[in-house]
Amino acid sequence: GAGVSQSPSNKVTEKGKDVELRCDPISGHTALYWYRQSLGQGLEFLIYFQGNSAPDKSGLPSDRFSAERTGGSVSTLTIQRTQQEDSAVYLCASSLAWQGKQETQYFGPGTRLLVL
Amino acid sequence: AQSVAQPEDQVNVAEGNPLTVKCTYSVSGNPYLFWYVQYPNRGLQFLLKYITGDNLVKGSYGFEAEFNKSQTSFHLKKPSALVSDSALYFCAVRGFQKLVFGTGTRLLVSP
Repeated sequence: GAGVSQSPSNKVTEKGKDVELRCDPISGHTALYWYRQSLGQGLEFLIYFQGNSAPDKSGLPSDRFSAERTGGSVSTLTIQRTQQEDSAVYLCASSLAWQGKQETQYFGPGTRLLVL
Repeated sequence: AQSVAQPEDQVNVAEGNPLTVKCTYSVSGNPYLFWYVQYPNRGLQFLLKYITGDNLVKGSYGFEAEFNKSQTSFHLKKPSALVSDSALYFCAVRGFQKLVFGTGTRLLVSP
């Protein structure tokens, strides 16, 4: 059974460039989450989707960050005009439903982003 | 707001000895608590969770956790540590729409 997959696994970019990070959740999981893991901030929540809808985008650190989900499946996190402080590991997770607090979130391997 | 605290940055234990990784929580309402493990250059792997019921929760790889409501704790335990258990461990509490993680505890198991 396939787990959550993310691509690319590593991304090196230059400051000011745009990047797209992809997440493919576990089949049948309607809820999808993005987190960021960095040395200074630990694990922080960015955004979640229920189906294709993202009801709350307040976790995104700035308006350079955006995310979308199509077909209730694959999600893309886009960072525009990248800055060095965006360097981190971006983790995606999925679960059966977001309403149930008991639902386990299963994580992908992450995308390690380095902004030079 | 929901939060968890992991008071130890690192725990050292010899192989074969019991291990404990500590976690305390602060929530309004019923707590939904999770433990995850992260190996180098890998994502988070789910170990176990407490939702309701028995205070002793059993999980993957021989790990278990004890929920203690009076002490607001959810410590991770294993009776006999393995060198392969060396990793970064995260406690988390389910908040609204997201997991709120602790800062992580690095477990080092020496041969």
